[in-house]
Amino acid sequence: AQSVTQLGSHVSVSEGALVLLRCNYSSSVPPYLFWYVQYPNQGLQLLLKYTSAATLVKGINGFEAEFKKSETSFHLTKPSAHMSDAAEYFCAVSDLRDDKIIFGKGTRLHILP
Amino acid sequence: DAGVIQSPRHEVTEMGQEVTLRCKPISGHNSLFWYRQTMMRGLELLIYFNNNVPIDDSGMPEDRFSAKMPNASFSTLKIQPSEPRDSAVYFCASTGDRWNTEAFFGQGTRLTVV
Repeated sequence: AQSVTQLGSHVSVSEGALVLLRCNYSSSVPPYLFWYVQYPNQGLQLLLKYTSAATLVKGINGFEAEFKKSETSFHLTKPSAHMSDAAEYFCAVSDLRDDKIIFGKGTRLHILP
Repeated sequence: DAGVIQSPRHEVTEMGQEVTLRCKPISGHNSLFWYRQTMMRGLELLIYFNNNVPIDDSGMPEDRFSAKMPNASFSTLKIQPSEPRDSAVYFCASTGDRWNTEAFFGQGTRLTVV
């Protein structure tokens, strides 16, 4: 069964600094990978998705993620953090066998002024 | 489209009472998911439907939980009887007819069982 591991339940970065949120997946078939963001008291919104096209995926709000099969990783990055990026971020995996979307436990991103 | 609509947004109930959470997916979507979010466990998939048929309910925690999807535009998640440990935010999400499309989430129902 597929699964997702997000390293670090909390990450703090200074405003203007690089954001790096880590995600590793486990899947016996080619995966499809997603990053979602959740703002307080709201549902999840899609940031970006990987579906076997380009390995470097660009999303909204300046975020991007790179699929690395050899490392089974799909880390999320943003070159320069903004205060509005403070939220919880979820990595998720799905595959061809079924429609299930499995989420990691999330990483809360804190932006320091 | 108004997106995925969940009701109620907040529910406070006493232990032992029946609770029913409701979800209206996006029109035309044929997969619907129920998730539960807690601090301890994160976002857990409880059950999902495809074309109104339950496909995988292995995440449903106990027999006290049940879910139905009588038609393409409505689903319910019922807890009977409710317990304090059921307190969580419950999300409904729907996707289109391709497995690699994004899931659209509702705003969630915050359930508190006292």
